[in-house]
Amino acid sequence: GAVVSQHPSRVICKSGTSVKIECRSLDFQATTMFWYRQFPKQSLMLMATSNEGSKATYEQGVEKDKFLINHASLTLSTLTVTSAHPEDSSFYICSAIVPRQGYGYTFGSGTRLTVV
Amino acid sequence: QQQVKQSPQSLIVQKGGISIINCAYENTAFDYFPWYQQFPGKGPALLIAIRPDVSEKKEGRFTISFNKSAKQFSLHIMDSQPGDSATYFCALGAGRRALTFGSGTRLQVQP
Repeated sequence: GAVVSQHPSRVICKSGTSVKIECRSLDFQATTMFWYRQFPKQSLMLMATSNEGSKATYEQGVEKDKFLINHASLTLSTLTVTSAHPEDSSFYICSAIVPRQGYGYTFGSGTRLTVV
Repeated sequence: QQQVKQSPQSLIVQKGGISIINCAYENTAFDYFPWYQQFPGKGPALLIAIRPDVSEKKEGRFTISFNKSAKQFSLHIMDSQPGDSATYFCALGAGRRALTFGSGTRLQVQP
C-alpha cells in the first residue's frame, strides 16, 4: 500500500521547452506532496512543499516561476519545469505523507530529466 | 547549515560482513529517524525507521540503534549481501514536514 506513481521515468527535452512531471497517489489521499531534486552522486534536496488546494511553498533559491507546482486534487500533484535549460537536468522525485498511525513517507520512482 | 551529518561517504564490505552507517544531528525537535535505500535511477525506498522513544529497532537483517542523548543514530546491516550494494540515506522528520536527508553512503558489498 501507499504507492506514489511518478511519470515519466525519463524525459529528454530541448532547451527552452517545458516539461511536466506527474505524481499520483494510488491508494491513499495525499494532502501534502514534497518535490525533491537530486544531482548525480548527491543527496535529495527539497524544492517545494505542496498542499492540496493551496499554493506551493518553495525553498530558498528555488525559482517558483520556473518550477510550477500544481496540487489540484488529493491524488495528483504536478511539477512543470518551464523554459528548461541544461542546468535543470537532474533527477526529480516526489514524496507524500502517508496517513497512518503516526506518519510516514512514500516516494515516487523519480524522473530523469535531460535538457539538450 | 547541515542539519544531519552522515558517515562514511563510502563503504566496502565483504559478503557476510556487517555494514555500519552513522548519522548525527543537532536539532532535538526531530521525532522520526528513517533510513532509505536507493538504487541508481530509482527513488529512495524506506528500509527501517525509528522514533525517539526506543533505542533500537530490528527488522530482518537491518537494525537501527538510536542514542537520544548523543543525538546519533546508526544503521547496521547484518550478513551483508551483494544485493545490498546501493546508496543509503538517513533522514530526519518532524511534524509532517519534509524529510531532511543526510549526504548518503555508497555501500559496495564484495562477493
